[in-house]
Order: sequence, then C-alpha cells, then structure tokens
Amino acid sequence: KQEVTQIPAALSVPEGENLVLNCSFTDSAIYNLQWFRQDPGKGLTSLLLIQSSQREQTSGRLNASLDKSSGRSTLYIAASQPGDSATYLCAGFYNQAGTALIFGKGTTLSVSS
Amino acid sequence: DTGVSQDPRHKITKRGQNVTFRCDPISEHNRLYWYRQTLGQGPEFLTYFQNEAQLEKSRLLSDRFSAERPKGSFSTLEIQRTEQGDSAMYLCASSLTASANYGYTFGSGTRLTVV
Repeated sequence: KQEVTQIPAALSVPEGENLVLNCSFTDSAIYNLQWFRQDPGKGLTSLLLIQSSQREQTSGRLNASLDKSSGRSTLYIAASQPGDSATYLCAGFYNQAGTALIFGKGTTLSVSS
Repeated sequence: DTGVSQDPRHKITKRGQNVTFRCDPISEHNRLYWYRQTLGQGPEFLTYFQNEAQLEKSRLLSDRFSAERPKGSFSTLEIQRTEQGDSAMYLCASSLTASANYGYTFGSGTRLTVV
C-alpha cells in the first residue's frame, strides 16, 4: 500500500530559526512530489513540485529535496517568520498521469515572534 | 484567470438533506479532481474528470455521492441524504494532462457541516 508519512505532526519554533519538515513514502516508485501549505480552514496552496529527475527545488526561503532511494523528501524553511505558521502537506504522485496523488497528514508549524 | 474557485465556502445542513457544491477550474486545465479532508487528516481522493469524462472514482464515493462536469468546464459534487460522517472539507483541484509534471492547483474548499 502506498503511504506518505509526515513527522512530526506539530512543530513550534522561535522566529528566525531554520527548520526542516520531513516526509517519507513507502513506495520508491513515486514519480514526483508536491509540497503544499494549508492555513486553518482554507484550501491548499502549492509551494514546490519536485520531479523525479530532480533532486531539489527552491523558491525564496523554501528548499525541497527528494531522495527516491531512501523514500524521503524534506522541506527546508530558512529564517522562519510568524507568517510561515500553517500546516505543511506533502503529496506523492505515483504515476505520470498524476491520477494517484497520495497525501501525508501534514506537519503543523507554529513560529512565535 | 484567478485560479480554482469553489462555491459555497461553507455549508451547514441538516442530516438527510441534499447538498451540491460547485468548482470552477483554471480555464485551460482539462483535468479536475475532487478530494475530501477531515480534521487532522490529509486530503483523500474522491474522483477525477478529464474534460467531461469521469475516469476514476474512489471507493470513498458512495452511491449517495455524484459528480458531473458537463461540457468539460465547471463541476458539481452532490451529496444526497447527508449524514454526520459527511462533515468535512471538500476540495477541488485542476491540472493539465500529465498532472505529475505540472502539479495540482487547489481551490479554497467547501466546508460542510451536517447537524
């Protein structure tokens, strides 16, 4: 069974700290992986899409990596800000058609000022 | 085009009533997906369309659920005879073909509360 796991479920850090969110998946046949942000009661905002041919993607203070051999992806947030407080979800594409997107339960991040 | 739009944002209904949600995808996206998310969980796949054709349905989509995408544009998700267990956030997403290469764009969701 294809599963995506995110640990920890919650994380609290002071403003300015660099942090890493972890995502692991059971099936190395994952095709691509997408990271999303979700604010309370809201929809999902796409952050980064990493294709299987890539090792990492960067957008501003965010850097995401993908290691298929170890079944892991990480989302690195540099110089965290209170506005980064949200739930971060990773989701794996298990076919190129993108019809099988499996989500983790998310990591809820709280950044205190 | 401002992204994926969902309507309504919130819906409170009594158990046993029927509800219908609407999703307007990004205009050039030919794929449209419905997901359901309960509190503390990640979104779970319900169904998807390529243009007007409904190509896959999850076993989560019971007989009380029906989805349509007439003319390959907007989509509706109807729940008949709602139950308290249907309370969740219903998310719509759209993408281009070969979604894994382009990723999904999600809407803001419709939060359903069944009382």
